[in-house]
Amino acid sequence: EAQVTQNPRYLITVTGKKLTVTCSQNMNHEYMSWYRQDPGLGLRQIYYSMNVEVTDKGDVPEGYKVSRKEKRNFPLILESPSPNQTSLYFCASSFRHSTDTQYFGPGTRLTVL
Amino acid sequence: KQEVTQIPAALSVPEGENLVLNCSFTDSAIYNLQWFRQDPGKGLTSLLLIQSSQREQTSGRLNASLDKSSGRSTLYIAASQPGDSATYLCAVRPKDSGGYQKVTFGTGTKLQVIP
Repeated sequence: EAQVTQNPRYLITVTGKKLTVTCSQNMNHEYMSWYRQDPGLGLRQIYYSMNVEVTDKGDVPEGYKVSRKEKRNFPLILESPSPNQTSLYFCASSFRHSTDTQYFGPGTRLTVL
Repeated sequence: KQEVTQIPAALSVPEGENLVLNCSFTDSAIYNLQWFRQDPGKGLTSLLLIQSSQREQTSGRLNASLDKSSGRSTLYIAASQPGDSATYLCAVRPKDSGGYQKVTFGTGTKLQVIP
């Protein structure tokens, strides 16, 4: 089954404790992206990747890191999480960046205490 | 900077009614526009994707139109059903001269279809 998977689905952590949210797609997509969703602010793009080893900042990259060492995986790293990073996070992928449908993962609900 | 607006923020209609959801964007230089639905606590499900060269796309009871010159897209839902209750989001992929490939989402319209 074609899908985007994220892990974990739910995470409660404390300020400053490094964490990684994994994202994997099995559709051989080139473009992958991370979003956060907050009430009243909608979905905002954090980082995106056009292909392996090619990443760039979205609208809200502060406090986040990403890497794209393999085509299928695009982990989101929070080196020192803070409470303002409490949010619902989505990973998405598409075959091409400009023309193709984005497929979304199920989301990761992160709470930073 | 591209801005995407969806009005109204919430809509409640009786079952069976036809309805239109609106999406406006400020910069007409886009690759495409995509409509999604999101159920509470769930991820996003793609409904329709309209390329910049297209005027509309249809899938079942859904029809999406795109007017780039006026910066508008509409999602038409025919014969609404309670199962259509969800938040509907539109997203644009801009052609940015700076080379960025950022996607901009609207804040959504929360639809409730009353049986």
